Amino acid sequence: GDSVTQMEGPVTLSEEAFLTINCTYTATGYPSLFWYVQYPGEGLQLLLKATKADDKGSNKGFEATYRKETTSFHLEKGSVQVSDSAVYFCALSPNTGGFKTIFGAGTRLFVKA
Amino acid sequence: DARVTQTPRHKVTEMGQEVTMRCQPILGHNTVFWYRQTMMQGLELLAYFRNRAPLDDSGMPKDRFSAEMPDATLATLKIQPSEPRDSAVYFCASVPGQGYNEQFFGPGTRLTVL
Repeated sequence: GDSVTQMEGPVTLSEEAFLTINCTYTATGYPSLFWYVQYPGEGLQLLLKATKADDKGSNKGFEATYRKETTSFHLEKGSVQVSDSAVYFCALSPNTGGFKTIFGAGTRLFVKA
Repeated sequence: DARVTQTPRHKVTEMGQEVTMRCQPILGHNTVFWYRQTMMQGLELLAYFRNRAPLDDSGMPKDRFSAEMPDATLATLKIQPSEPRDSAVYFCASVPGQGYNEQFFGPGTRLTVL
C-alpha cells in the first residue's frame, strides 16, 4: 500500500541554519504530495504542496520539489527562525478521488536562538 | 476566515464514562476525517465521511467508538466506555472535495481518561 517515510527527529538547528527534512514515498500512480506543519497546541496546517512530477511547492521560505524518479519530496529552507520550531509532516494523497491522505510520522524541529 | 471548529478543546473524564467530541467542518466541505494523535502511535486515521455517509471506519475500535454525521455541519465521535488508553488528542479535518484534496484541521480535543 501507499506509504510515506520521513527522517526521524528531533532536528535541532541554530537560527539562520539551512534545513533539510527528507521524505520519500511509495505509491501507485501519481499522488499529490504535501508538507503540513503543526505548531504546539494546534492542528496540522498545510505548508506547501505539489501535484505532479517536477512541481516545486513553496511557502514562507520553505520549498520542496516533487521528484518522481527518486520518489522524494524533501523539505528545505535556507535560513530557519526560532518561530519555525514545530513538527513537520510529509504526506501524500492518491489522486483517485478519495481524498484520503497518508501521513508520515512527523519530524520535530527545534531552532535555537 | 473559515475554520474547522472542535468542542470541547479539553476533556478530563474517568474510566468508564461516555465521551462525545464534536466537529463543525468548513461550510461546503463534503469530506470529514477523524484522527487520533499520540506520542507513541503518531497520527492515526479513525474514520471518514463523504457527503455524511461513512466511507471507512476500519481504524476505529468498533466495540467502544462510534462516529456519525447527523447533518452537514456536525460530525461526532463518541467513546463508550472510555479507557485510559484512549487518552490522546483527537482531530477533525475537512476537505473541500471537487478535486481539491488539502485537509483543513481543527484545533483538536485533548482527552484525558483517568
